[in-house]
Amino acid sequence: QKEVEQNSGPLSVPEGAIASLNCTYSDRVSQSFFWYRQYSGKSPELIMSIYSNGDKEDGRFTAQLNKASQYVSLLIRDSQPSDSATYLCAVNGNSGGSNYKLTFGKGTLLTVNP
Amino acid sequence: AAGVIQSPRHLIKEKRETATLKCYPIPRHDTVYWYQQGPGQDPQFLISFYEKMQSDKGSIPDRFSAQQFSDYHSELNMSSLELGDSALYFCASWPLGERGVQFFGPGTRLTVL
Repeated sequence: QKEVEQNSGPLSVPEGAIASLNCTYSDRVSQSFFWYRQYSGKSPELIMSIYSNGDKEDGRFTAQLNKASQYVSLLIRDSQPSDSATYLCAVNGNSGGSNYKLTFGKGTLLTVNP
Repeated sequence: AAGVIQSPRHLIKEKRETATLKCYPIPRHDTVYWYQQGPGQDPQFLISFYEKMQSDKGSIPDRFSAQQFSDYHSELNMSSLELGDSALYFCASWPLGERGVQFFGPGTRLTVL
């Protein structure tokens, strides 16, 4: 079983709607959680980081973390066609020293229809 | 703002050849991570360096080696290339102390024929 699980999608929403992306992780010592957006053939771009239980909002994006349930989500409000991309959930945990490697989920492909 | 620089951006090699990928982290970032992303796959961690020392190792084949130099740039050396090595190779840098936020370079697309 992969350490970070995401629904692969594709997830299709109309323009202006809310897109909801979900992610679960298996390693309870994980401390930091990230959402990256990746356009085809491009590098991952950091959208949100979250470290504590609860919600964190940044513009149209809201990340939610529930460590007890080992669950992290990303909400995109007022979705735009330019939001169409693969969204990667990434997790790392401090296993000592500088070991902060990221473990990624397989990504959810989001399509926002005009 | 300065970003992570990778070179070359595209590389085409034949089987059994060697390749060297270079990564220049964001200035004052002392930690470098290498990831491999195959077609339709998520990025897989290969190896990382902190202060010029290897800090962690992932699923990196023995045919690959890497190092970080005194100016903090890093090179990934790949020998005896195989068709399965065709992938996007990303370098990410991280300012130690910022809760693990990693900034990715544009990547090198390696094609092995």
